[in-house]
Amino acid sequence: SQKIEQNSEALNIQEGKTATLTCNYTNYSPAYLQWYRQDPGRGPVFLLLIRENEKEKRKERLKVTFDTTLKQSLFHITASQPADSATYLCALLSHNAGNNRKLIWGLGTSLAVNP
Amino acid sequence: GAVVSQHPSRVICKSGTSVKIECRSLDFQATTMFWYRQFPKQSLMLMATSNEGSKATYEQGVEKDKFLINHASLTLSTLTVTSAHPEDSSFYICSASYLARNYEQYFGPGTRLTVT
Repeated sequence: SQKIEQNSEALNIQEGKTATLTCNYTNYSPAYLQWYRQDPGRGPVFLLLIRENEKEKRKERLKVTFDTTLKQSLFHITASQPADSATYLCALLSHNAGNNRKLIWGLGTSLAVNP
Repeated sequence: GAVVSQHPSRVICKSGTSVKIECRSLDFQATTMFWYRQFPKQSLMLMATSNEGSKATYEQGVEKDKFLINHASLTLSTLTVTSAHPEDSSFYICSASYLARNYEQYFGPGTRLTVT
């Protein structure tokens, strides 16, 4: 079955450093992959989407890479700030029984940026 | 833009009663809405996908008679948890997408349901 793995341990980094989060998947070849941010008790917020034919995508301090050979995506936050502290979720496109698009979600990695 | 609201944000109900949760897209027409459930330290679990005016497609293992979904308009979907039990206590989140950017989902703030 399709499986998504994200670092289960929380990531603690110092303000100003680059945070790197990993998303690995198996038994799957998604057309695209997305990253979301979720704060406690809130719904996720869309950050970036990267397609299977793209190697890298950037948005301000965020960078996502997508290696379909390794079946892995890396999510980087450069010049991290305490406000970046949150849980970051990786999601892959799939389809349900009605052939509607749906997302399969990783457990998320908790990031804490210390001042 | 692309704001989704949910109501209520928190609800406590007695076992055996029904609870309705509303999900609204405030500034766009949501062609598709999704309902998720999230338990503590667990990933988002999709419950069902609904397109406006048609029946919802439920994921395997989700009882459609227990979790009633109505998507009567392009801006409103409701989830009714019928005959709620304590094990239904969870965080319920809706999301919506629209045709032009149908690969992105815009999430509501979630509803914390506690069944006593």
